[in-house]
Order: sequence, then structure tokens, then C-alpha cells
Amino acid sequence: DVKVTQSSRYLVKRTGEKVFLECVQDMDHENMFWYRQDPGLGLRLIYFSYDVKMKEKGDIPEGYSVSREKKERFSLILESASTNQTSMYLCASSGEGTYNEQFFGPGTRLTVL
Amino acid sequence: EDKVVQSPLSLVVHEGDTVTLNCSYEVTNFRSLLWYKQEKKAPTFLFMLTSSGIEKKSGRLSSILDKKELFSILNITATQTGDSAVYLCAVRPYGGATNKLIFGTGTLLAVQP
Repeated sequence: DVKVTQSSRYLVKRTGEKVFLECVQDMDHENMFWYRQDPGLGLRLIYFSYDVKMKEKGDIPEGYSVSREKKERFSLILESASTNQTSMYLCASSGEGTYNEQFFGPGTRLTVL
Repeated sequence: EDKVVQSPLSLVVHEGDTVTLNCSYEVTNFRSLLWYKQEKKAPTFLFMLTSSGIEKKSGRLSSILDKKELFSILNITATQTGDSAVYLCAVRPYGGATNKLIFGTGTLLAVQP
């Protein structure tokens, strides 16, 4: 079974803190994605990566950065957390083929106070 | 701008009822449409649809795509309380990033005993 794990299920941080969210997949997938999920807005793509050290902006990259130093690990970084970044963050991965679905991690619920 | 719209936003039914969830899309260069189920954790993959009129079926769940009218439906027959979840629809376009998905806001289904 494909497994995507995220470092924390729940996280509480203060405004201005630097926050790292980690995601690891064990299926040797090329593609990895970070989404945030908010009520009424659905899943919105923040960043994605199609190879080690490669990244592209999604629909809402402002306030976030990412790092992919190893194929299995994709990190989301909030350089200076703000209250409007309180959200559920979901990581996903998928293989290279045209018809591969994305596999999701359990999510990290981040609260910024 | 590409968009995916799901309806209804939420739905309450009783066990044994049949439900139909809707997903319409306006996406340039459509490639495939995916359905996911999200309980209090990671979204799990249900179906991928690429061709019009071909029903995909898994137990009590089925789905079909209409590429002319740009929509898909997800049917659940003889609903059970375990079907309670958010159902997410996503569309994958051609071009751009490999396997990038555009998500709808989801339909929250509550099945009462």
C-alpha cells in the first residue's frame, strides 16, 4: 500500500514563527503536492514538485516556500506564520504516468495564534 | 479560469436511501475526472473517469462522466452510516504540471441511522 505520512496531525504556532511541515512518501513517486483545505474553498494547491530540487508554484504560493532535497520528502515552510494560514494542510504524491491518482497523507491541522 | 463546482454542498439522508452527487467543470483541455472520499483523515481515491458514458462501479458506488455536458455524477445506493464523508471531485487537465488536479469544494454527506 502507498503510504504518505505527515510529521504532525495537530500543530499550534504563534504569529511570526517559522513553521516546517514535513511529508514523506514510500512509493518512489516523482510528483509531490502541498494543498491547504478550508471550509467552502475546497483543496487549493500551494506548491508542487515533479523531481528532486524542482518545484513549481500552485494557485496560492504567497507566504509559503518548499524544499525537496530527497525524492521521498517534501517540506512546506511558512517563513513567518500568520493567523490567515490557520488551516488543514494536506500532502499528496503520485507517480509519473498520465492516469495515476494522487495519494494523500492524513493532514496537519495548523493553528496560528 | 478553470473551475470545478460540486452540488449540493451538503446532504443529510437516512440509511438505505440512494444519493446522487454532482460535479460540473469548466476546464481547458480536460484529461480526466477523479472522485475521492474524505472522512476525518486523508482523502481516499474512488474513481477515475476519462471517457463519456462508461460507468465505473465499486460495490454500492458508481460514477459516470458526460464530456459533452461537462459533468459527472457519483451515485451511492443503499447508503450506510459509514458512507458519511466529504466527497471530492477533481479534474486533471492536459498540459502544465504532471498530474496537477483542480478540486471542487466537496459535498458533505451525512447518513443518519
